Amino acid sequence: DAMVIQNPRYQVTQFGKPVTLSCSQTLNHNVMYWYQQKSSQAPKLLFHYYDKDFNNEADTPDNFQSRRPNTSFCFLDIRSPGLGDAAMYLCATSRGSLDSYEQYFGPGTRLTVT
Amino acid sequence: SQQGEEDPQALSIQEGENATMNCSYKTSINNLQWYRQNSGRGLVHLILIRSNEREKHSGRLRVTLDTSKKSSSLLITASRAADTASYFCATDWAFSGGYNKLIFGAGTRLAVHP
Repeated sequence: DAMVIQNPRYQVTQFGKPVTLSCSQTLNHNVMYWYQQKSSQAPKLLFHYYDKDFNNEADTPDNFQSRRPNTSFCFLDIRSPGLGDAAMYLCATSRGSLDSYEQYFGPGTRLTVT
Repeated sequence: SQQGEEDPQALSIQEGENATMNCSYKTSINNLQWYRQNSGRGLVHLILIRSNEREKHSGRLRVTLDTSKKSSSLLITASRAADTASYFCATDWAFSGGYNKLIFGAGTRLAVHP
């Protein structure tokens, strides 16, 4: 009954080699978010989509891109991963309405950069 | 910079004891939420308290909010080993479209020993 699914759960990539992480949801939520979480730190919002409307956080590096081809799927592309990009990447969704502010998180993808 | 700061950073207790975690934030909020994260997993929403509420209960959880002090606390009563996790408070910034983004505190790592 998974509602927010992330694949793969673990990803190893080489320094500078592009990598794509995927997220899908069965909740039909309007909003999808990508967070980066480094060890023992708080999740940090990278960007989010409201429907097809993309919103980038001001301090998100250009190295990070995202695509949302339809309501259910959202992708995080890291164009040239550096060692500092090793982290857990969390996808989340929310309904996007005034009466519902809860976010639903996937299990995360742990990215290792060698 | 992070909106929320949590205290303590780590807490170790015995089963059956109560656990109290505190969160302070810097600016006005609409809502404050608490999330739980088991090791290496995604976050799970626990409870939301609105800015006009002072206290809220959910099972063994009790959350308080003091907007004059810009602080909140999460109390877990009669803790169990299964409560071992990291707990994050999150304040929200609301967008005009009726959805929000969350700013997480650094979290409290709770260890409950049998």
